[in-house]
Amino acid sequence: DAGVIQSPRHEVTEMGQEVTLRCKPISGHDYLFWYRQTMMRGLELLIYFNNNVPIDDSGMPEDRFSAKMPNASFSTLKIQPSEPRDSAVYFCASSPTAGYNEQFFGPGTRLTVL
Amino acid sequence: AQKVTQAQTEISVVEKEDVTLDCVYETRDTTYYLFWYKQPPSGELVFLIRRNSFDEQNEISGRYSWNFQKSTSSFNFTITASQVVDSAVYFCALSDTAGGTSYGKLTFGQGTILTVHP
Repeated sequence: DAGVIQSPRHEVTEMGQEVTLRCKPISGHDYLFWYRQTMMRGLELLIYFNNNVPIDDSGMPEDRFSAKMPNASFSTLKIQPSEPRDSAVYFCASSPTAGYNEQFFGPGTRLTVL
Repeated sequence: AQKVTQAQTEISVVEKEDVTLDCVYETRDTTYYLFWYKQPPSGELVFLIRRNSFDEQNEISGRYSWNFQKSTSSFNFTITASQVVDSAVYFCALSDTAGGTSYGKLTFGQGTILTVHP
């Protein structure tokens, strides 16, 4: 079975541009998580969904960030407008349940905002 | 609030040495789950182990072993006879209800960079 799929793997953009990161979770997993990894802040949970519904978005840094999950097999994380401090690796993860099951991580998207 | 502390930022060992990575956690929940993940140089996060708060048995998997002690809120990870391929960043993580009623939030420690020299 395919793992979590993320696209693009690398994104370089200029400040002010809109960036859309995409994620396809593992089929049958009801939970989807978006994380951001930076040297300064480590791994941070941005938002997570249960059955396509956002449950906790308290980690979303500001209004420039938005996430959607229109169906069970697709989610997007959008940054508009992007800023250099958004440069990071963004991971998507999915899990059959929350809490006691491990989360399966995608390969990540390395975002560079110039 | 929940917190995971990995006090060792970097560890450097020579191949075949044993190495222990420390993890200390804080939570108000009585039921919680602890995890270790490995992040090799390629960047992906690989699940290693899960423990629930009611299972304090130590676990061994090949060269890997884990020591869970609720009394000290620690969940340490030992690699026996380390190999160059063990070089990676290792993360300890905690899942609890975060004061709410449902699980979901996975709180990661800052990670320990392990370098194994040949």
